[in-house]
Amino acid sequence: EDQVTQSPEALRLQEGESSSLNCSYTVSGLRGLFWYRQDPGKGPEFLFTLYSAGEEKEKERLKATLTKKESFLHITAPKPEDSATYLCAVIVGNQFYFGTGTSLTVIP
Amino acid sequence: EAGVVQSPRYKIIEKKQPVAFWCNPISGHNTLYWYLQNLGQGPELLIRYENEEAVDDSQLPKDRFSAERLKGVDSTLKIQPAELGDSAVYLCASSLGHGTGELFFGEGSRLTVL
Repeated sequence: EDQVTQSPEALRLQEGESSSLNCSYTVSGLRGLFWYRQDPGKGPEFLFTLYSAGEEKEKERLKATLTKKESFLHITAPKPEDSATYLCAVIVGNQFYFGTGTSLTVIP
Repeated sequence: EAGVVQSPRYKIIEKKQPVAFWCNPISGHNTLYWYLQNLGQGPELLIRYENEEAVDDSQLPKDRFSAERLKGVDSTLKIQPAELGDSAVYLCASSLGHGTGELFFGEGSRLTVL
């Protein structure tokens, strides 16, 4: 069965303390992997698309990377406004599968 | 450019009552999705439309849920009758085409069934 697993479930960082979020997948026929940010009471907001192993995308303090089995979302020198839930999703065939997300809290 | 608009934002109903949610996607987006999101979980697809055609409704509980997208623009999701377990956030999203991965989500409709 196709699966998307995110870890950790929750992460607390001090402002400026860099870290990484993980999204591992056990799917066949991956067509793409996507990262979204979700603030409380809001819908998810698209961040990145990654299509092939070795690909990297960056946006401000965020950098997403992809291997054949997992993706990492690296957060460099985070700020309190980076606090949110980060969701990854994969598309296999015509099906989207979302992970359960990592809740990130950045403490000033 | 206006984003995906959903209404109502919040709805509280008694069990066995009907409820409907409305979504207006971004102009020009042919693909429309309805997702269900429980607390602490990722969104789960209920139904996907390509224009006015429901192309994936395999996860829609058809005994009590129905959806329509007349004229291929805005869409309505209905639950009748609602059950306690239907309490969740119902998210609408749209995209230029399925497979691009870039979905634009609305803010969601939070349903509480008492």
